[in-house]
Amino acid sequence: AQSVTQLDSQVPVFEEAPVELRCNYSSSVSVYLFWYVQYPNQGLQLLLKYLSGSTLVKGINGFEAEFNKSQTSFHLRKPSVHISDTAEYFCAVSASAGKSTFGDGTTLTVKP
Amino acid sequence: NAGVMQNPRHLVRRRGQEARLRCSPMKGHSHVYWYRQLPEEGLKFMVYLQKENIIDESGMPKERFSAEFPKEGPSILRIQQVVRGDSAAYFCASFPGLAGSDTQYFGPGTRLTVL
Repeated sequence: AQSVTQLDSQVPVFEEAPVELRCNYSSSVSVYLFWYVQYPNQGLQLLLKYLSGSTLVKGINGFEAEFNKSQTSFHLRKPSVHISDTAEYFCAVSASAGKSTFGDGTTLTVKP
Repeated sequence: NAGVMQNPRHLVRRRGQEARLRCSPMKGHSHVYWYRQLPEEGLKFMVYLQKENIIDESGMPKERFSAEFPKEGPSILRIQQVVRGDSAAYFCASFPGLAGSDTQYFGPGTRLTVL
């Protein structure tokens, strides 16, 4: 079984500041790791994923994440946020084809 | 998530009524997952279906909930005798089911409100 902990439920940040959204996971097997973004009343959009290989993964909208196996973490970062990045962000793990376990989400609020 | 269709987008039901949620996966995808998102929470896995087969229903409540994915037509999540606690957003995710595939594609969700 897998579990995901998103360490911050809310992250307020000023526009153009850097941001890090933290995600820790636990699993007894190798996993795939994902970050999704959800805008109000919409579905989930894939930001980036880690399957294997380089531990630094680059995604859409200027986001990147680093897989750290020893710390079982997959933190999401962006060097300079925009107002439009305000949304809910979900970290997810999957040990097999498709079925994913999600964290409870982090609300990123970008203030002008 | 382009290509995964869910309808209706919003559904209002009174307690005791039935809710039917539909999901049409992306073209060529033969696997569908259903997730439920309660307010202020993340998505929770409910059921995994392949055409004409239920592969994993470990996340689905034992009573009132059922799901199917027929050979023709969309996948349907059915909730009988709805209660207020069923109010949530229900998402389906489409998956190709091919060896080496790793990404689910989410639909826009159906937001169920039980009065």
